[in-house]
Amino acid sequence: DAGITQSPRHKVTETGTPVTLRCHQTENHRYMYWYRQDPGHGLRLIHYSYGVKDTDKGEVSDGYSVSRSKTEDFLLTLESATSSQTSVYFCASQPGQNPDTQYFGPGTRLTVL
Amino acid sequence: QKEVEQNSGPLSVPEGAIASLNCTYSDRVSQSFFWYRQYSGKSPELIMSIYSNGDKEDGRFTAQLNKASQYVSLLIRDSQPSDSATYLCAVSFPDSNYQLIWGAGTKLIIKP
Repeated sequence: DAGITQSPRHKVTETGTPVTLRCHQTENHRYMYWYRQDPGHGLRLIHYSYGVKDTDKGEVSDGYSVSRSKTEDFLLTLESATSSQTSVYFCASQPGQNPDTQYFGPGTRLTVL
Repeated sequence: QKEVEQNSGPLSVPEGAIASLNCTYSDRVSQSFFWYRQYSGKSPELIMSIYSNGDKEDGRFTAQLNKASQYVSLLIRDSQPSDSATYLCAVSFPDSNYQLIWGAGTKLIIKP
């Protein structure tokens, strides 16, 4: 298994507060992704990165920002959390350009009250 | 709008039987197709990838691709209770920077 971790694993926060989720991989993978998973929707791409400081928006990027200052770390920030952002967030990394296998972290369950 | 469709299930299959999971996609130019398995409360993990029309076999798993019909399937032979999970279909669309578009998944239950 690829060494990919996420922190925190669970978080409860209040509406309007900023939240940062961290993804850390030890495989030197170039590509990294942030998804959210909600019942009935499958995985939806929030943002992705194709290298250090190179990021782009996904399908559901509104209200989220990302940063990647090192190959191994990809941060997801909810600038002002809303209840609609309650979800399970998965980070994934990918060694090479598509098509290639994506390796997933364990997920973060975020609840916004 | 790029779409990947799966029947949400649950699909109930007796132990030892063949489980057949189906996925349709909206774009004929798609070239890469993936099946991931997700146990409850866990993260997805890759089972199979397929890029060419026809069948691809790996142990008890067979992926089938028909690009003309925009259809990809996953067959699980000799189903085991440990195969009970949600199976996610993912498709790579070239004009979306090769991002993966995911189906909502089919929940499979193998009954002992």
